[in-house]
Amino acid sequence: KAGVTQTPRYLIKTRGQQVTLSCSPISGHRSVSWYQQTPGQGLQFLFEYFSETQRNKGNFPGRFSGRQFSNSRSEMNVSTLELGDSALYLCASSLDRGAYEQYFGPGTRLTVT
Amino acid sequence: AQSVAQPEDQVNVAEGNPLTVKCTYSVSGNPYLFWYVQYPNRGLQFLLKYITGDNLVKGSYGFEAEFNKSQTSFHLKKPSALVSDSALYFCAVRDLYNFNKFYFGSGTKLNVKP
Repeated sequence: KAGVTQTPRYLIKTRGQQVTLSCSPISGHRSVSWYQQTPGQGLQFLFEYFSETQRNKGNFPGRFSGRQFSNSRSEMNVSTLELGDSALYLCASSLDRGAYEQYFGPGTRLTVT
Repeated sequence: AQSVAQPEDQVNVAEGNPLTVKCTYSVSGNPYLFWYVQYPNRGLQFLLKYITGDNLVKGSYGFEAEFNKSQTSFHLKKPSALVSDSALYFCAVRDLYNFNKFYFGSGTKLNVKP
């Protein structure tokens, strides 16, 4: 079974631009979560989607948004990029919510210049 | 309040020795607890989880973890460390009383020296 895939793997953007990251979960997984990982802040939860609905949201500004499609694929968008948005963005999928473990993709390395 | 804490930024052990990576949690009710490992420039890989039942759970690559409800801890252990175990380890908890949110610890870097 294929793992979680994320595209693109690397991205360089300039301040003020916007970016869209994509995540394809493991087949059959209905829950998708997004995390931001930086050396200083560690792993921070962005949001979780289940059945095309946002179920949870972390403490990030409204510039960060996401969505989930009917096939469980998910995208996250960051508008008006800031230097501090440079990070590794990880997507994770799980079969369902609750007791199920998450499986992570390799991440998208975003660099904002 | 921090939901999960990893008190050690780094743990150093010699190859062949037992290792322990510590994790404590703070959530209401019965927690769902997880351990993940991250190798450089990679995503996180699931190692093991505790949901209910036996307090000692076994996972991938010879790792195990012990759930201790009275101490609210979920320490990761391995009887004999390998150099290839060197990586970043994350403890996580799913808080069923807070919209099923996942909380991750700050991570512990494990260094296994030959």
